Amino acid sequence: AQSVTQLDSQVPVFEEAPVELRCNYSSSVSVYLFWYVQYPNQGLQLLLKYLSGSTLVESINGFEAEFNKSQTSFHLRKPSVHISDTAEYFCAVTKTSGSARQLTFGSGTQLTVLP
Amino acid sequence: DGGITQSPKYLFRKEGQNVTLSCEQNLNHDAMYWYRQDPGQGLRLIYYSQIVNDFQKGDIAEGYSVSREKKESFPLTVTSAQKNPTAFYLCASSMGQKYTEAFFGQGTRLTVV
Repeated sequence: AQSVTQLDSQVPVFEEAPVELRCNYSSSVSVYLFWYVQYPNQGLQLLLKYLSGSTLVESINGFEAEFNKSQTSFHLRKPSVHISDTAEYFCAVTKTSGSARQLTFGSGTQLTVLP
Repeated sequence: DGGITQSPKYLFRKEGQNVTLSCEQNLNHDAMYWYRQDPGQGLRLIYYSQIVNDFQKGDIAEGYSVSREKKESFPLTVTSAQKNPTAFYLCASSMGQKYTEAFFGQGTRLTVV
């Protein structure tokens, strides 16, 4: 079984400031890792994912996350946030093998960007 | 455009009534999933299906039922046995083999009145 911990439920930050949203996971098997973003009353959109290869992954809108296997972490960072980044962010994992690939989610982090 | 369609977007139900939430995908994905979202709790898995005519219970299946008669469709029924059904319900799908990610619908907000 897997579990995901997002350490901060709310993160307020001023526009153009850097931000880090923390994610730690626990698993007895190898996992894929994901960050999803959710805007109010909408579904989840994939922000970025780690499947294999380089441990640093980037999104098209300036977010990045680094897979750290020894610390079992997958923290999300952005060097300069915009008002439009205000949303809820979910970290999730699924195992790398087997036919059942259900996701295990963290409880979410609400990022609020202040003007 | 390929994607996942959930309907309706908003649904109101009286206590004691069953209600069915629709989920349709045209991505040719083998696997489909239903999640429930409550404030501060993230998403929890209700049911999932890897292939047609087969499905398994997730972490919170009590009070819910599903069917998978077609590859494209995975409807969720919220029964009167579900004690606290008011929530946001999200459907997702993924490839069975060569998994890369799950794709989500826009969700259905169910309110019991």
